[in-house]
Amino acid sequence: DAGITQSPRYKITETGRQVTLMCHQTWSHSYMFWYRQDLGHGLRLIYYSAAADITDKGEVPDGYVVSRSKTENFPLTLESATRSQTSVYFCATEPGLATDTQYFGPGTRLTVL
Amino acid sequence: SQKIEQNSEALNIQEGKTATLTCNYTNYSPAYLQWYRQDPGRGPVFLLLIRENEKEKRKERLKVTFDTTLKQSLFHITASQPADSATYLCARQGDGNQGGKLIFGQGTELSVKP
Repeated sequence: DAGITQSPRYKITETGRQVTLMCHQTWSHSYMFWYRQDLGHGLRLIYYSAAADITDKGEVPDGYVVSRSKTENFPLTLESATRSQTSVYFCATEPGLATDTQYFGPGTRLTVL
Repeated sequence: SQKIEQNSEALNIQEGKTATLTCNYTNYSPAYLQWYRQDPGRGPVFLLLIRENEKEKRKERLKVTFDTTLKQSLFHITASQPADSATYLCARQGDGNQGGKLIFGQGTELSVKP
C-alpha cells in the first residue's frame, strides 16, 4: 500500500518552461493539498482540494494551476516556471475528519535555472 | 490572520536529557494543536494532537501541553535519543480566509548528541 506518492522526486527545469508535479493517493481521502517549503518560510499552502472538481487557493497560489478530475490525483502545474519557484513541494492528504490531521508525500525538489 | 511561531534556533541536547520545544500562537485559541516530525529529505509525519480542553497528552516518550492562557504548546521528548534528531513542526487551524486547514510553524530543529 503506497499511500501517497509524488513524481518526479527531483526536477530541474529552465525559466519559462511548463512543469507538472504529480500527486497520487490510494486512501481515497477527501482533501488534498499542495505546499511549498523554503528556508525561512516553513510550509506554505499553495492550493487545496476538498473533493474531485473542487479546488481553492491557499496562501501562495500565484503562478500555479491545479486540477482534480479524480479523487486520487492532484497535479500541480507551474505554467511558466520562475527561479522564485525553486523549492521543495509537498503533497498531502486528509481524510476529512474533524481533526484535520494530514499525511504528506515524500516531496519533489524542483530547481528552476 | 492566525499565526504560529516556533523557535527558529536549533536545539542541541545530550542523549538521555529531556528536549522541550515551544510553539506560540496568536489570536484566539485553536480547537487543537498538532505536532509533526520531519526528517531531512522527507515529508512531515503526524505525531500528536492535543485539544483545547486537554492540558496534557502523552505518547510513549512524548508529552505535549496546551496552555490557553499563555497561548503556548510545549512538546517534550524524555530520555532523548540520537534517533529523535529531526525538525519538529507545530500546526493549528487556519482562519476560513486563510484557506486550507492547517497553519504550520517554521519548525525547530532538534539535534541529540550521543
